[in-house]
Amino acid sequence: DVKVTQSSRYLVKRTGEKVFLECVQDMDHENMFWYRQDPGLGLRLIYFSYDVKMKEKGDIPEGYSVSREKKERFSLILESASTNQTSMYLCASSLLVGLAVNTDTQYFGPGTRLTVL
Amino acid sequence: AQSVTQLDSHVSVSEGTPVLLRCNYSSSYSPSLFWYVQHPNKGLQLLLKYTSAATLVKGINGFEAEFKKSETSFHLTKPSAHMSDAAEYFCVVSAQRAGTASKLTFGTGTRLQVTL
Repeated sequence: DVKVTQSSRYLVKRTGEKVFLECVQDMDHENMFWYRQDPGLGLRLIYFSYDVKMKEKGDIPEGYSVSREKKERFSLILESASTNQTSMYLCASSLLVGLAVNTDTQYFGPGTRLTVL
Repeated sequence: AQSVTQLDSHVSVSEGTPVLLRCNYSSSYSPSLFWYVQHPNKGLQLLLKYTSAATLVKGINGFEAEFKKSETSFHLTKPSAHMSDAAEYFCVVSAQRAGTASKLTFGTGTRLQVTL
């Protein structure tokens, strides 16, 4: 079974702090994704990565950055946390590359609920 | 451009009765369509997906969905609800122009409540 793990289930930070959210997958997947989930808005893509050191912006990248130094690990960074970044953050991974990525299943971690005070 | 609309934010059914969760999509290219389920405090799990093969797709736990191009719909059904089906369900579309990277677009979710 594919396993996607996230470093924390719950996190509380203060405004202005630098926040790191870590995600690790154990199935040698090429692609990794960070989403945020808010009530009534579904999931929105923040960033994704299709290879080590490669990244692309999603729909809402402002205020976030990412790092992928190793294939299995994808980090989301909030440079200066703000209260409007209070949310559930979900990491996902998928295997296929090229055109087939359109049809591929994404495997999700359990999520990190971040509260910024 | 692509989008997906889940027509009901909340659906309540009695245990043993049918389930219908409605989803409409729009896309400029031939879409792939997915239904994911999220149980409380858990990540999302794939229920089923349509990728241009058979239009009636069977998934896990007795769920199925039918792709109807003329109606741009991909409704999720189950003949008989079980208490364990209570969760949030997301309809997802992925459609791309050849040679570009794909991106999933999620609906806003439908919360399914199952009562005794």
